[in-house]
Amino acid sequence: EPEVTQTPSHQVTQMGQEVILRCVPISNHLYFYWYRQILGQKVEFLVSFYNNEISEKSEIFDDQFSVERPDGSNFTLKIRSTKLEDSAMYFCASTDWGQGTYEQYFGPGTRLTVT
Amino acid sequence: AQSVTQPDIHITVSEGASLELRCNYSYGATPYLFWYVQSPGQGLQLLLKYFSGDTLVQGIKGFEAEFKRSQSSFNLRKPSVHWSDAAEYFCAVGGYSSASKIIFGSGTRLSIRP
Repeated sequence: EPEVTQTPSHQVTQMGQEVILRCVPISNHLYFYWYRQILGQKVEFLVSFYNNEISEKSEIFDDQFSVERPDGSNFTLKIRSTKLEDSAMYFCASTDWGQGTYEQYFGPGTRLTVT
Repeated sequence: AQSVTQPDIHITVSEGASLELRCNYSYGATPYLFWYVQSPGQGLQLLLKYFSGDTLVQGIKGFEAEFKRSQSSFNLRKPSVHWSDAAEYFCAVGGYSSASKIIFGSGTRLSIRP
């Protein structure tokens, strides 16, 4: 069964460093998302992406964040200058909405630790 | 405002007992509703979803949920819990829009008493 994959599974970085989290959505999906979950808290929406542009973003998704689909398979989340409070689990999701399913398929997540 | 409320932060039930996890939502349009389960340090696993039709939906691992429009609720049930059901459970809501984000509740932690 096709699945969303994410790399790395765990990333440790120092405050102020740039990080790129990578996701490979399911191949025929056209809509992509990033969510995050701070330890012990609920999952929060960050951004949605369709047709090579951002569809919606949350208040969390400030100028330090950016997303890109650099090729036909990858979808990335970049944090330009990480802060301690960026430490969280980041989930990528994708969907082919309306083509037989209306659910978002989540990847296993990348745990980001900022020290 | 769009929101999901899970009023129970932590529930403990005995193994073999029945379970009901509560979920209420606020959404401006007809919602799509989901229940996810998350084990510690793990990702999100979809238990079940409701889009339309029969308001009682069956999911994996013996779970079911009932959509009650009049109460804006989507409670999760299981007739007999197993120790392996101990986890965090998240109710979530999305909309018809193709780019619609999913809004998650704050979760209910389920512990199982031997």
